[in-house]
Amino acid sequence: QKEVEQNSGPLSVPEGAIASLNCTYSDRVSQSFFWYRQYSGKSPELIMSIYSNGDKEDGRFTAQLNKASQYVSLLIRDSQPSDSATYLCAVNPRPYSSASKIIFGSGTRLSIRP
Amino acid sequence: DAGVIQSPRHEVTEMGQEVTLRCKPISGHDYLFWYRQTMMRGLELLIYFNNNVPIDDSGMPEDRFSAKMPNASFSTLKIQPSEPRDSAVYFCASRLGQGTNYGYTFGSGTRLTVV
Repeated sequence: QKEVEQNSGPLSVPEGAIASLNCTYSDRVSQSFFWYRQYSGKSPELIMSIYSNGDKEDGRFTAQLNKASQYVSLLIRDSQPSDSATYLCAVNPRPYSSASKIIFGSGTRLSIRP
Repeated sequence: DAGVIQSPRHEVTEMGQEVTLRCKPISGHDYLFWYRQTMMRGLELLIYFNNNVPIDDSGMPEDRFSAKMPNASFSTLKIQPSEPRDSAVYFCASRLGQGTNYGYTFGSGTRLTVV
């Protein structure tokens, strides 16, 4: 079992709709979670971080965390063509440790169709 | 802030040659990470440093790979000898401190092609 699992997609969503991206992780004690966006040929860019159960909203983006189910999701409202990218879920199992490192999922490719 | 700076942006080399990738982290960041990204394997952590000291190099594929961080503002990743399967995009990332909310800032990457 991979430590961080995502559906590779592609996920095709019509412009203006809600895009829903999902991620599961295997280490039950994981404490911090991130979503990165990566455009083709570019480097990953941090767009959201979350570490408490529930929802965290930032503009059109909402991150959702359910530690009991070991599940993280990202919702993108009013999807725009500029949201077309690969979205990487990332988990830091032990953020307060000096041996703290982030583990990335393989990414979900999102395509917003006009 | 100039961000994380990597060089070169592109590198094409022949099999068997030595390749050196360079990274300058964000000033003040005390963690530095080297990742490799391929279509097949995604983003893999190779090695990371805390305060210039290597903490975990378990992701380094084999002895052909080595990394150094001689000071807080510079790190290198060296491949000697290079092989075609080393072709990938190599990213450097840095982070300040440790805690729940600390994500990484990535450099623009070095696209390595070994022919």
